[in-house]
Amino acid sequence: VLTQTPLSSVTLGQPASISCRSSQSLVYRDGNTYLSWLHQRPGQPPRLLIYKVSTRLSGVPDRFSGSGAGTDFTLSISRVEAGDVGVFYCMQVSQVPYSFGQGTKLEIK
Amino acid sequence: EVQVVESGGGLVQSGGSLRLSCAASGFTFSSYEMNWVRLPPGKGLEWISYIDFRGTTMYYADSVKGRFTISRDNARDSLYLQMNSLSLEDTAIYYCATGWTPGSGWHFHSWGQGTLVTVSS
Repeated sequence: VLTQTPLSSVTLGQPASISCRSSQSLVYRDGNTYLSWLHQRPGQPPRLLIYKVSTRLSGVPDRFSGSGAGTDFTLSISRVEAGDVGVFYCMQVSQVPYSFGQGTKLEIK
Repeated sequence: EVQVVESGGGLVQSGGSLRLSCAASGFTFSSYEMNWVRLPPGKGLEWISYIDFRGTTMYYADSVKGRFTISRDNARDSLYLQMNSLSLEDTAIYYCATGWTPGSGWHFHSWGQGTLVTVSS
């Protein structure tokens, strides 16, 4: 089970962080940790931002960074922009069944 | 450009069946694991099913196990989800998403726009 920070209200230009805690270690048998972060804007499909805890997908702004290990993970946004509104999800594919966190809705103050 | 397009959603009565399709283009479909994910109204994303490259290994969420069947046709670059014994709780937008492919470190890189399934009583 993945548990995320439920709601985040942030001022434009300020930093934000979202936590994701797993009930079990997400280290896979190959030594990798398959924890990803996705962002979904209203009416849009999800977009993959970060995979394997901290690797940013090509084209994702470096304002986004991921960190953590084992069971505790964090998505950090250095400066929140208006386009960041929506829901952020962590998800894991280290174990079957795959699972998403319940989502963290980002609102702008 | 990698593209996946879902179809087959619609309105169905409780207890009924529906078959979703996902048409892939712009990539070598047979080299990708594939998944179905759904978004119920007012709720969060829920992973529901996975299939490997050849369609020999499948996984399901407990919520759909025994009712839904994932399959693929690599000759047609298509992914399917057969949904039986539908209930009100299955109402959701259903997304097709690419999984892992050799040489990548990621899963769930590309998503379709989704297809809406509405189950009525």
